[in-house]
Amino acid sequence: GAGVSQSPSNKVTEKGKDVELRCDPISGHTALYWYRQSLGQGLEFLIYFQGNSAPDKSGLPSDRFSAERTGGSVSTLTIQRTQQEDSAVYLCASSFTVQETQYFGPGTRLLVL
Amino acid sequence: AQTVTQSQPEMSVQEAETVTLSCTYDTSESDYYLFWYKQPPSRQMILVIRQEAYKQQNATENRFSVNFQKAAKSFSLKISDSQLGDAAMYFCAYLLSGNTPLVFGKGTRLSVIA
Repeated sequence: GAGVSQSPSNKVTEKGKDVELRCDPISGHTALYWYRQSLGQGLEFLIYFQGNSAPDKSGLPSDRFSAERTGGSVSTLTIQRTQQEDSAVYLCASSFTVQETQYFGPGTRLLVL
Repeated sequence: AQTVTQSQPEMSVQEAETVTLSCTYDTSESDYYLFWYKQPPSRQMILVIRQEAYKQQNATENRFSVNFQKAAKSFSLKISDSQLGDAAMYFCAYLLSGNTPLVFGKGTRLSVIA
């Protein structure tokens, strides 16, 4: 079956612009996670959804970051007024429930000039 | 807070040989899960193996096996008969039973020498 998909694959933007990153989870998966992987760093948790609710937003680095999920499916991560330090690979994962194995998408590589 | 430590930033192995990647973690919980993920240059994070903490038997998936030592909080990955396609970053990760996200180690970059 289809895995987790993310778009765009790569995004180059100018400092100060807003960007939207999209994640399509595996069909039927109720939990959805966003992580950030910066150059030379491990994976940093940003936010997760159970259905359309986000019980844990503790990882969002600033109020410029927001995310939503609609219909228990697609999720969008929005970064407003992008900064150069936002440059990273943004990975999305989904799982059947929060206690199940997480399956990852291919990521979106964001470069802020 | 839970932490995951991978003490080997880089490892190399000859093709067809065996290599072991180390991982230790810190937790006061008794019910949790441990994972190894592989990230090739394509950056797709691929699940290699999963271990439930309540299971004493070590997980095995074909050429991949783990040595899970719960008391020592150690979770190493053994790759047997290494292949060129095994070259990648390997991440160890911890998941507390409940509703928390994965906690990842910094990764080990594995090179396979032909």
